[in-house]
Amino acid sequence: AQTVTQSQPEMSVQEAETVTLSCTYDTSENNYYLFWYKQPPSRQMILVIRQEAYKQQNATENRFSVNFQKAAKSFSLKISDSQLGDTAMYFCALQGGKLIFGQGTELSVKP
Amino acid sequence: KAGVTQTPRYLIKTRGQQVTLSCSPISGHRSVSWYQQTPGQGLQFLFEYFSETQRNKGNFPGRFSGRQFSNSRSEMNVSTLELGDSALYLCASSLDVGARNTEAFFGQGTRLTVV
Repeated sequence: AQTVTQSQPEMSVQEAETVTLSCTYDTSENNYYLFWYKQPPSRQMILVIRQEAYKQQNATENRFSVNFQKAAKSFSLKISDSQLGDTAMYFCALQGGKLIFGQGTELSVKP
Repeated sequence: KAGVTQTPRYLIKTRGQQVTLSCSPISGHRSVSWYQQTPGQGLQFLFEYFSETQRNKGNFPGRFSGRQFSNSRSEMNVSTLELGDSALYLCASSLDVGARNTEAFFGQGTRLTVV
């Protein structure tokens, strides 16, 4: 069975600071992808960043980057220079046939 | 290009009734997945359709069913509604089922309230 675990239900960060959201997963697949999705109050799920499991290089997208530790099955998201618009629920997801989500981390960026 | 469209956006039903939710995927996308989102359980996978065939199914009772039409539009049906079925139901479309690098695009969801 595939599982995704996010152990931080809520986090907060000051505007312009850096925050890291944690995610661990379990899968027996060798070929899989990992994603971070953002769900703002509007409820629209938006893809933030994706990581291919067979690539050792960590993915980056502007202020968003990941720390992918394949052996530890860990996939954390770092948000640099946090902005008020980053306030949202963040979901870690594993795609190994079907897309499985973690429980989510509610991030609040404070001015 | 139009995004994923879910209708209706909000729905209130009574226990015991049935409900049908609709999802129109992005043009050209042949895979549609459905998720149930609740505060307690998070996002749970319901099922996935590709070319009118159900390819994956989550752990939900038989009251939850779905189908996909030849134009890739999908519907999900919940019969004999229970209070616990109150949730945000999200639909996601992608180019191909099980394609691991395919981005899933989500609709804005249907908020179902069962009273």
